[in-house]
Amino acid sequence: DAGVTQSPTHLIKTRGQQVTLRCSPKSGHDTVSWYQQALGQGPQFIFQYYEEEERQRGNFPDRFSGHQFPNYSSELNVNALLLGDSALYLCASSSRDRVETQYFGPGTRLLVL
Amino acid sequence: AQSVSQHNHHVILSEAASLELGCNYSYGGTVNLFWYVQYPGQHLQLLLKYFSGDPLVKGIKGFEAEFIKSKFSFNLRKPSVQWSDTAEYFCAVMPYNTDKLIFGTGTRLQVFP
Repeated sequence: DAGVTQSPTHLIKTRGQQVTLRCSPKSGHDTVSWYQQALGQGPQFIFQYYEEEERQRGNFPDRFSGHQFPNYSSELNVNALLLGDSALYLCASSSRDRVETQYFGPGTRLLVL
Repeated sequence: AQSVSQHNHHVILSEAASLELGCNYSYGGTVNLFWYVQYPGQHLQLLLKYFSGDPLVKGIKGFEAEFIKSKFSFNLRKPSVQWSDTAEYFCAVMPYNTDKLIFGTGTRLQVFP
Protein backbone atom coordinates (compact mmCIF):
# COMPACT_ATOMS: atom_id res chain seq x y z
CA ASP A 1 0.00 0.00 0.00
CA ALA A 2 1.72 3.14 -1.24
CA GLY A 3 1.82 6.04 1.12
CA VAL A 4 1.71 9.70 0.17
CA THR A 5 4.17 10.50 -2.59
CA GLN A 6 5.46 13.90 -3.68
CA SER A 7 7.52 15.11 -6.60
CA PRO A 8 10.04 16.45 -7.13
CA THR A 9 12.08 15.90 -3.98
CA HIS A 10 14.17 19.03 -4.48
CA LEU A 11 13.81 22.10 -6.63
CA ILE A 12 15.83 25.26 -7.20
CA LYS A 13 14.18 28.33 -8.70
CA THR A 14 14.96 32.01 -9.01
CA ARG A 15 12.89 34.94 -7.80
CA GLY A 16 9.90 35.73 -9.99
CA GLN A 17 9.63 32.24 -11.43
CA GLN A 18 6.69 29.90 -11.04
CA VAL A 19 6.76 26.39 -9.59
CA THR A 20 4.42 23.38 -9.56
CA LEU A 21 4.64 20.68 -6.93
CA ARG A 22 2.79 17.39 -7.11
CA CYS A 23 1.22 15.02 -4.62
CA SER A 24 -0.39 11.61 -4.86
CA PRO A 25 -2.47 10.69 -1.81
CA LYS A 26 -2.41 7.44 0.07
CA SER A 27 -4.58 4.74 -1.46
CA GLY A 28 -8.20 5.19 -0.37
CA HIS A 29 -7.81 8.86 0.53
CA ASP A 30 -9.74 11.61 -1.23
CA THR A 31 -8.64 14.77 0.61
CA VAL A 32 -5.31 16.53 0.19
CA SER A 33 -3.89 19.29 2.37
CA TRP A 34 -0.76 21.31 1.70
CA TYR A 35 1.59 22.73 4.32
CA GLN A 36 4.68 24.94 4.17
CA GLN A 37 7.48 24.23 6.64
CA ALA A 38 10.12 26.94 6.82
CA LEU A 39 13.47 26.09 8.37
CA GLY A 40 13.20 25.76 12.13
CA GLN A 41 9.43 26.12 12.11
CA GLY A 42 6.44 23.84 12.27
CA PRO A 43 4.34 23.21 9.19
CA GLN A 44 1.81 25.93 8.29
CA PHE A 45 -1.47 25.09 6.59
CA ILE A 46 -1.78 26.45 3.06
CA PHE A 47 -5.05 24.93 1.80
CA GLN A 48 -7.06 21.75 1.45
CA TYR A 49 -8.71 20.14 -1.56
CA TYR A 50 -11.64 17.80 -1.68
CA GLU A 51 -13.84 16.90 -4.65
CA GLU A 52 -11.54 18.98 -6.85
CA GLU A 53 -12.33 22.19 -4.95
CA GLU A 54 -10.43 24.27 -2.43
CA ARG A 55 -12.30 23.77 0.85
CA GLN A 56 -10.20 25.66 3.37
CA ARG A 57 -7.36 28.11 3.11
CA GLY A 58 -4.73 29.34 5.50
CA ASN A 59 -3.11 32.75 5.62
CA PHE A 60 -1.27 32.58 2.31
CA PRO A 61 -1.45 35.05 -0.61
CA ASP A 62 -3.15 34.34 -3.90
CA ARG A 63 0.24 33.54 -5.42
CA PHE A 64 -0.35 30.13 -3.89
CA SER A 65 -2.93 28.13 -5.80
CA GLY A 66 -3.78 24.52 -6.24
CA HIS A 67 -5.68 21.93 -8.09
CA GLN A 68 -7.06 18.49 -7.45
CA PHE A 69 -7.60 15.96 -10.18
CA PRO A 70 -10.34 13.30 -10.51
CA ASN A 71 -7.88 10.64 -9.28
CA TYR A 72 -7.46 12.74 -6.06
CA SER A 73 -3.87 13.74 -6.81
CA SER A 74 -3.07 17.39 -6.33
CA GLU A 75 -0.77 20.18 -7.44
CA LEU A 76 0.47 23.21 -5.59
CA ASN A 77 1.41 26.20 -7.75
CA VAL A 78 3.35 29.20 -6.55
CA ASN A 79 3.71 32.23 -8.81
CA ALA A 80 6.15 35.14 -8.63
CA LEU A 81 8.45 33.30 -6.26
CA LEU A 82 10.05 35.22 -3.41
CA LEU A 83 13.14 34.32 -1.41
CA GLY A 84 10.84 33.74 1.57
CA ASP A 85 9.05 30.94 -0.29
CA SER A 86 12.08 28.73 0.29
CA ALA A 87 10.78 25.91 2.47
CA LEU A 88 9.78 22.28 2.65
CA TYR A 89 6.32 21.83 1.14
CA LEU A 90 4.37 18.96 2.64
CA CYS A 91 1.35 17.20 1.30
CA ALA A 92 -0.96 15.34 3.66
CA SER A 93 -3.79 13.06 2.65
CA SER A 94 -6.84 11.84 4.53
CA SER A 95 -10.24 10.38 3.90
CA ARG A 96 -13.18 12.77 4.10
CA ASP A 97 -14.85 10.82 6.86
CA ARG A 98 -11.66 10.87 8.97
CA VAL A 99 -10.05 14.08 7.85
CA GLU A 100 -8.54 14.63 11.29
CA THR A 101 -6.08 11.80 10.67
CA GLN A 102 -3.66 13.09 8.08
CA TYR A 103 -0.77 11.16 6.57
CA PHE A 104 2.20 13.19 5.40
CA GLY A 105 4.43 12.73 2.41
CA PRO A 106 8.20 13.25 2.40
CA GLY A 107 7.91 16.80 1.10
CA THR A 108 9.45 18.85 -1.68
CA ARG A 109 12.30 21.11 -0.66
CA LEU A 110 12.15 24.36 -2.64
CA LEU A 111 15.05 26.78 -2.72
CA VAL A 112 14.48 30.20 -4.24
CA LEU A 113 17.62 32.11 -5.20
CA ALA B 1 -5.22 33.93 16.83
CA GLN B 2 -4.95 30.20 17.28
CA SER B 3 -1.45 29.10 18.16
CA VAL B 4 0.54 26.25 19.64
CA SER B 5 3.54 26.76 21.90
CA GLN B 6 6.29 24.25 22.49
CA HIS B 7 8.54 25.70 25.13
CA ASN B 8 11.39 23.22 24.81
CA HIS B 9 13.22 23.88 21.57
CA HIS B 10 16.08 21.45 22.13
CA VAL B 11 16.24 18.66 24.69
CA ILE B 12 19.28 16.47 25.31
CA LEU B 13 18.92 13.29 27.36
CA SER B 14 20.80 10.13 28.13
CA GLU B 15 19.25 6.78 27.40
CA ALA B 16 16.81 5.58 30.09
CA ALA B 17 16.07 9.13 31.22
CA SER B 18 12.45 10.21 31.45
CA LEU B 19 11.03 12.64 28.92
CA GLU B 20 8.37 15.30 29.13
CA LEU B 21 7.80 17.78 26.30
CA GLY B 22 5.47 20.68 26.90
CA CYS B 23 2.70 21.82 24.57
CA ASN B 24 0.19 24.59 25.17
CA TYR B 25 -2.39 25.92 22.76
CA SER B 26 -4.53 29.01 22.56
CA TYR B 27 -8.06 28.30 21.38
CA GLY B 28 -11.23 28.62 23.37
CA GLY B 29 -13.25 25.92 21.69
CA THR B 30 -13.06 22.18 21.25
CA VAL B 31 -9.92 20.85 19.65
CA ASN B 32 -8.41 17.59 18.53
CA LEU B 33 -4.81 17.21 19.69
CA PHE B 34 -1.85 15.47 18.11
CA TRP B 35 1.80 14.73 18.51
CA TYR B 36 3.79 14.06 15.35
CA VAL B 37 7.38 12.82 15.14
CA GLN B 38 9.93 13.34 12.40
CA TYR B 39 12.90 10.96 12.57
CA PRO B 40 16.08 12.06 10.76
CA GLY B 41 15.57 11.75 7.03
CA GLN B 42 11.98 10.59 7.35
CA HIS B 43 8.60 12.20 6.96
CA LEU B 44 6.19 13.32 9.65
CA GLN B 45 4.48 10.43 11.41
CA LEU B 46 1.58 10.44 13.82
CA LEU B 47 2.70 9.49 17.33
CA LEU B 48 -0.63 9.81 19.12
CA LYS B 49 -3.88 11.73 19.08
CA TYR B 50 -6.64 12.84 21.42
CA PHE B 51 -10.20 13.45 20.30
CA SER B 52 -12.31 12.82 23.39
CA GLY B 53 -12.68 10.55 26.40
CA ASP B 54 -9.81 9.53 28.66
CA PRO B 55 -7.42 12.49 28.75
CA LEU B 56 -4.43 10.16 29.04
CA VAL B 57 -3.70 8.74 25.61
CA LYS B 58 -1.14 6.16 24.66
CA GLY B 59 0.68 6.14 21.36
CA ILE B 60 3.28 4.13 19.59
CA LYS B 61 6.73 3.27 20.98
CA GLY B 62 5.76 3.77 24.62
CA PHE B 63 4.79 7.44 24.33
CA GLU B 64 1.81 8.91 26.11
CA ALA B 65 0.26 12.34 26.45
CA GLU B 66 -2.11 13.95 28.89
CA PHE B 67 -4.72 16.50 27.96
CA ILE B 68 -5.36 19.02 30.73
CA LYS B 69 -8.23 21.17 29.52
CA SER B 70 -7.95 23.77 32.28
CA LYS B 71 -4.33 24.40 31.34
CA PHE B 72 -4.80 24.14 27.57
CA SER B 73 -1.94 21.66 27.62
CA PHE B 74 -1.12 18.37 25.95
CA ASN B 75 2.29 17.29 27.22
CA LEU B 76 4.13 14.31 25.79
CA ARG B 77 5.84 11.81 28.09
CA LYS B 78 7.94 8.69 27.95
CA PRO B 79 9.30 7.01 31.09
CA SER B 80 12.56 5.80 29.53
CA VAL B 81 13.92 7.13 26.26
CA GLN B 82 16.07 5.24 23.79
CA TRP B 83 18.70 6.41 21.35
CA SER B 84 16.20 5.65 18.55
CA ASP B 85 13.86 8.32 19.94
CA THR B 86 16.20 11.00 18.60
CA ALA B 87 13.91 13.06 16.39
CA GLU B 88 11.93 16.27 16.11
CA TYR B 89 8.57 16.28 17.86
CA PHE B 90 5.67 18.50 16.85
CA CYS B 91 2.53 19.21 18.81
CA ALA B 92 -0.53 20.13 16.72
CA VAL B 93 -4.15 21.05 17.26
CA MET B 94 -7.12 20.86 14.94
CA PRO B 95 -9.94 23.18 16.01
CA TYR B 96 -13.29 21.45 15.92
CA ASN B 97 -15.12 21.81 12.61
CA THR B 98 -11.96 22.71 10.75
CA ASP B 99 -9.68 20.35 8.92
CA LYS B 100 -6.45 22.25 9.33
CA LEU B 101 -3.64 21.28 11.65
CA ILE B 102 -1.94 24.09 13.56
CA PHE B 103 1.57 23.08 14.52
CA GLY B 104 3.99 24.23 17.15
CA THR B 105 7.57 25.06 16.22
CA GLY B 106 8.82 21.66 17.26
CA THR B 107 11.20 20.24 19.86
CA ARG B 108 14.43 18.62 18.81
CA LEU B 109 15.25 15.64 21.03
CA GLN B 110 18.72 14.17 21.13
CA VAL B 111 19.27 10.98 23.10
CA PHE B 112 22.82 9.88 23.81
CA PRO B 113 23.74 6.26 24.59
